[in-house]
Amino acid sequence: DAKTTQPNSMESNEEEPVHLPCNHSTISGTDYIHWYRQLPSQGPEYVIHGLTSNVNNRMASLAIAEDRKSSTLILHRATLRDAAVYYCILSYNQGGKLIFGQGTELSVKP
Amino acid sequence: ETGVTQSPTHLIKTRGQQVTLRCSSQSGHNTVSWYQQALGQGPQFIFQYYREEENGRGNFPPRFSGLQFPNYSSELNVNALELDDSALYLCASSLDNQPQHFGDGTRLSIL
Repeated sequence: DAKTTQPNSMESNEEEPVHLPCNHSTISGTDYIHWYRQLPSQGPEYVIHGLTSNVNNRMASLAIAEDRKSSTLILHRATLRDAAVYYCILSYNQGGKLIFGQGTELSVKP
Repeated sequence: ETGVTQSPTHLIKTRGQQVTLRCSSQSGHNTVSWYQQALGQGPQFIFQYYREEENGRGNFPPRFSGLQFPNYSSELNVNALELDDSALYLCASSLDNQPQHFGDGTRLSIL
């Protein structure tokens, strides 16, 4: 299973953009890049996923490097409710098993 | 639409006992996956069921077993409980190869 590397923690100010990086240098051509987040006392929540092109949805944007060895999750305006652990995950298809790492703990300051 | 629901929310067992955890998939979903999350760690994949058949398994011993029913609800069974089985057990459902939607889990404590 291809692995991802994320910073252990990041801080952001409320209403500012947040860029959460993820390295996945051993990604294969068929691996999708998924982002999930986990708020305290809740199960993980799907955020966004992509294969090669940048993706946008109502929650976030996903920027994928041209060589696909790294990606960045972008929260356009952080709110206090965005404080969570964010996981970057590779999966061979969109619905296959998810191999979670340690994730990045994002804290948001008012 | 109703999301993924798990029961019970909390459970206490003793070593050597058996436990069954239940999961109701989100409406219309035909795939269910189970994960174990130890305190301070990311979730670990246990297994996945697709249309009542096991469709992948993680590095867990055979005493972890599962079932998916015709209505796509699911059970996770764990026999001969050990102290290290204390964790949050998460169920996730999806439709075919679409992204997974998680429940809030069952917190299992082994004494």
